[in-house]
Amino acid sequence: KAGVTQTPRYLIKTRGQQVTLSCSPISGHRSVSWYQQTPGQGLQFLFEYFSETQRNKGNFPGRFSGRQFSNSRSEMNVSTLELGDSALYLCASSLSQGVTDTQYFGPGTRLTVL
Amino acid sequence: TQLLEQSPQFLSIQEGENLTVYCNSSSVFSSLQWYRQEPGEGPVLLVTVVTGGEVKKLKRLTFQFGDARKDSSLHITAAQPGDTGLYLCAGGKSRDDKIIFGKGTRLHILP
Repeated sequence: KAGVTQTPRYLIKTRGQQVTLSCSPISGHRSVSWYQQTPGQGLQFLFEYFSETQRNKGNFPGRFSGRQFSNSRSEMNVSTLELGDSALYLCASSLSQGVTDTQYFGPGTRLTVL
Repeated sequence: TQLLEQSPQFLSIQEGENLTVYCNSSSVFSSLQWYRQEPGEGPVLLVTVVTGGEVKKLKRLTFQFGDARKDSSLHITAAQPGDTGLYLCAGGKSRDDKIIFGKGTRLHILP
């Protein structure tokens, strides 16, 4: 069974640009969550989608948005990039929603904002 | 304010030694999870504990959930270089709540 895949793996952008990251969950998984990981703040929850609906949202500005498609694939978008958005963005999928459901993480997208 | 505090932040010990890392909170969690993350990869789930006082063992790793479900510990016996990595605890206050991560303990086992 293929794991969670994220594309692209690495991305370099400049301030003010926007970026779209993609996540393909494990086949059959309907829940996708996104996290931002930085050395200073650790892993911070961005949002969770289940069956195309946003179920939970973290404390990030409106520049961060996401969506989920009918095939459970998900994208997240960051507009008007800032230097502080440089981070590893991780996607995780699980069979269903719920904190006790096992989350399987992808390898992440490393975003660098110059 | 970090809801899940992990200690120590960094730990470097010799192969064969024992160690314990901690995950503490002032809040009650319905469940806590432990992950290990290696460079260039996403975190991998090691265990989920849901009952206060619960102890789970995974080979040389022993996980404990506090009686009040506010804290957890991970004990490694006879550490090996393959145990090197970032250990993260994470929890949710209710079943449908978002998962909160601690900042992690970076463990380095010296051969």
